[in-house]
Amino acid sequence: DAKTTQPPSMDCAEGRAANLPCNHSTISGNEYVYWYRQIHSQGPQYIIHGLKNNETNEMASLIITEDRKSSTLILPHATLRDTAVYYCIVRALEAAGNKLTFGGGTRVLVKP
Amino acid sequence: GAGVSQTPSNKVTEKGKYVELRCDPISGHTALYWYRQSLGQGPEFLIYFQGTGAADDSGLPNDRFFAVRPEGSVSTLKIQRTERGDSAVYLCASSLSPNTGELFFGEGSRLTVL
Repeated sequence: DAKTTQPPSMDCAEGRAANLPCNHSTISGNEYVYWYRQIHSQGPQYIIHGLKNNETNEMASLIITEDRKSSTLILPHATLRDTAVYYCIVRALEAAGNKLTFGGGTRVLVKP
Repeated sequence: GAGVSQTPSNKVTEKGKYVELRCDPISGHTALYWYRQSLGQGPEFLIYFQGTGAADDSGLPNDRFFAVRPEGSVSTLKIQRTERGDSAVYLCASSLSPNTGELFFGEGSRLTVL
């Protein structure tokens, strides 16, 4: 699976949009981009995933660049409960076992 | 419905002791995963089960670690002769099938080896 690069930390203001970048310049054509988050003392939680089209669900939006070498997770209206570590992961969906390889993630602090 | 359940939530043991950690996945989920997370780091893959068999155990650090899932549901992670370096949060996750892309994680079992 391709490696990802994320900033180690970022702050954002409550009520504002939070834009979390992820670089995956070595991504292959059959690899998806997944985002998970981990709130303190909890297990990771799936947020969203995509291949090449932008995706939106009730939690967030995922914007993938046309060359697929980077993506941005958007939390449209950040709340204090969105404070967490956010992980960007790349993997091939058809890879056996659906194993996810977590990196260090981005520690997001939402401030009032 | 119930999520992934892990017991115990906390375990303190002494160096050299044997430890078992239990994971009860979401009902109907055929795939089960064990991860280990050290302080300040992302989760590290240990082993993956599809049904009763271990399909990928490439993440187990050494032969002191072993996991079973005899009936294709509950799984137990077993650690023999524990060492202080085994101290971590052990996370279990399950998914409906190996290809859904969405893993559901439990809250983890925090192991402290004194």
